[in-house]
Amino acid sequence: KAGVTQTPRYLIKTRGQQVTLSCSPISGHRSVSWYQQTPGQGLQFLFEYFSETQRNKGNFPGRFSGRQFSNSRSEMNVSTLELGDSALYLCASSLVAGHQETQYFGPGTRLLVL
Amino acid sequence: AQSVTQPDIHITVSEGASLELRCNYSYGATPYLFWYVQSPGQGLQLLLKYFSGDTLVQGIKGFEAEFKRSQSSFNLRKPSVHWSDAAEYFCAVGARDGNQFYFGTGTSLTVIP
Repeated sequence: KAGVTQTPRYLIKTRGQQVTLSCSPISGHRSVSWYQQTPGQGLQFLFEYFSETQRNKGNFPGRFSGRQFSNSRSEMNVSTLELGDSALYLCASSLVAGHQETQYFGPGTRLLVL
Repeated sequence: AQSVTQPDIHITVSEGASLELRCNYSYGATPYLFWYVQSPGQGLQLLLKYFSGDTLVQGIKGFEAEFKRSQSSFNLRKPSVHWSDAAEYFCAVGARDGNQFYFGTGTSLTVIP
C-alpha cells in the first residue's frame, strides 16, 4: 500500500506570495492532519480534516487554511507569505479522526520564503 | 495546558550501548502516548504507542517504552544501539477527548562507533 505523498517536496517563494501544498493520504484513510516543523518552534499542529470537515485547528493565523476533498486528498494554503513561514510542512493520515488511530506521516514539503 | 517535555536536547552514545530517552507530559488525564523517529530529510515514523493496558510497550527496531503514571513519563529505551539509530526522536501526546496532538521538542541522537 502506498504511503502518504506530499507535493511538491521543495518550494521557494517570496514574501507576500501565496502557496498551496498537497497531501494524498494512504488509500482508505479519511483523516488528514497538517503540521509545521521549524528549528525554533519544533512540530506544531496546524489543523485536521476528516470527511471534508475541519475537526480541529491549532494556534496559527488565518493566513493558514486548508481543505479536504471527497477523495480525502487535502490541500493547505498559506497566503501573504512571511519569512517565518519557512518550514517543513508535514502531512499525516489516519483511518479516522482521533488519536487512537495511528498517524502515518508523509516526507514533507520544505518551503523556503525569501 | 497540555505539554510534552523532552529534557535532553542531544544525546551521544556508543554503538552497542544502551539508550534511554526521557519524556514527561502534562495532561489532565492519561493521554495517548507516542514515540516517533525522524531521520534527516525524512518524515516521521511511528516507533511505538501506548493507549492502555500493559505499561511496557514494545515497538519496532528493538525499541520499548514504559508508561509511568505516577511520574507522568513515557521513556524510550533500547538495550543496544545501532549506528542506524542516529536520528531525531520525538515524544508526542494525543488527547483522548479531542484531536489536539502535541509533540515534544525532540532529542537528537548521535551514535559513535
